[in-house]
Amino acid sequence: EVQLVESGGVVVQPGGSLRLSCAASGFTFHDYNMHWVRQAPGRGPEWVSLISWDGYTTYYSDSVKGRFIISRDNSKKSLYLQMNSLRTEDSALYSCAKVRIPYSSSSSTNLDYWGQGTRVTVSS
Amino acid sequence: QSVLTQPPSVSAAPGQRVTISCSGMRSNIGNNFVSWHQQVPGTAPKLLIYDNTKRPSGIPDRFSASKSGTSATLDITGLQTGDEADYYCGTWDSSLNAVVFGGGTKVTVL
Repeated sequence: EVQLVESGGVVVQPGGSLRLSCAASGFTFHDYNMHWVRQAPGRGPEWVSLISWDGYTTYYSDSVKGRFIISRDNSKKSLYLQMNSLRTEDSALYSCAKVRIPYSSSSSTNLDYWGQGTRVTVSS
Repeated sequence: QSVLTQPPSVSAAPGQRVTISCSGMRSNIGNNFVSWHQQVPGTAPKLLIYDNTKRPSGIPDRFSASKSGTSATLDITGLQTGDEADYYCGTWDSSLNAVVFGGGTKVTVL
């Protein structure tokens, strides 16, 4: 059974930093592109970042580019999101998601499994 | 404001059909595959449709989708109370080099 479990969400002050983790199990993690997606209360999903299966290719939304860094450790079956210079508008539930098939193109948005998310609150 | 445009809500009686539109541009829907996700409040999104028209295993054929030009459509037939949820279209935008989602459509079963 595929499982994605996020952790690391806390309350942090504006300008602060945070590192989110996503522990994967139930599939061959190192074969799949992975995404971070966030959702503010009452809002739809907002894509944050993606990383290729081998970790060599990354993309970011304009809203987080230059502040967030996505990474992965395939030996630990884990995905990470380093969040710096946090703003109040970054407050949301952050979820990791996997794409449907291995070795997908970066343009694939077929996210077939999502974690339950970890909540980040940026507030003074 | 979302890159992809969806109606905020649609509704119909049980057994009826609803259609959800998703409008974009050449750089996103026009040149890339579209996916659709269903999200029941308080739960993670669920992949309903991938590669414009395909259903993952376990998704009933009451859910179907199509794409034409820079627009995509999700159809739900034989509407059931369990279909009450928010529905989101998504695709890759080749100009932004980013995944883009629609703002979501709330389906209400009357």
